[in-house]
Amino acid sequence: DADVTQTPRNRITKTGKRIMLECSQTKGHDRMYWYRQDPGLGLRLIYYSFDVKDINKGEISDGYSVSRQAQAKFSLSLESAIPNQTALYFCATSASFYNEQFFGPGTRLTVL
Amino acid sequence: QKEVEQNSGPLSVPEGAIASLNCTYSDRGSQSFFWYRQYSGKSPELIMFIYSNGDKEDGRFTAQLNKASQYVSLLIRDSQPSDSATYLCAVMGDMRFGAGTRLTVKP
Repeated sequence: DADVTQTPRNRITKTGKRIMLECSQTKGHDRMYWYRQDPGLGLRLIYYSFDVKDINKGEISDGYSVSRQAQAKFSLSLESAIPNQTALYFCATSASFYNEQFFGPGTRLTVL
Repeated sequence: QKEVEQNSGPLSVPEGAIASLNCTYSDRGSQSFFWYRQYSGKSPELIMFIYSNGDKEDGRFTAQLNKASQYVSLLIRDSQPSDSATYLCAVMGDMRFGAGTRLTVKP
């Protein structure tokens, strides 16, 4: 079984809809991250969490919110989706701040 | 604003050649540096990491770090068509990734 899973893998939605992307991990890591990837822009950090009680904004948090339901679960929400949020979204985990991050398979989100 | 810069490419090399990928970073206090490989539509996977100045070798891959000049590079020896992918440079303390360099290895 994959260590980091994301659901859904693909989602098409309409402008103004609320969307939740979910991430689960079995690696036992405290640190979890949400990134978005756009062509030519690499990975950009949306939110990160050091543990259940610690959530921090990343470089591009506007329009997004997160919830850390448990050590193993970290969800990303788009309260009112807009077309420029169309992107590939990755969840990642790491054992510590400076260690390797392990990525989930990604969610391809299209906002029409 | 902390930045991680990479040449976007594409970089094209013939099979068997050495591919050289470069990355510069702006935060002089950065401590840990990673190279990820990403195939189209897939998630990034770790190739190498380096924390200390100098070279670190792992099979066909060598990472080089020069903190004084704030650059990190990845050399791929005996390049294979299966190495064709986008290579992402990452500075983990800052949680920042470069935009990636697309490498094509031609048979």
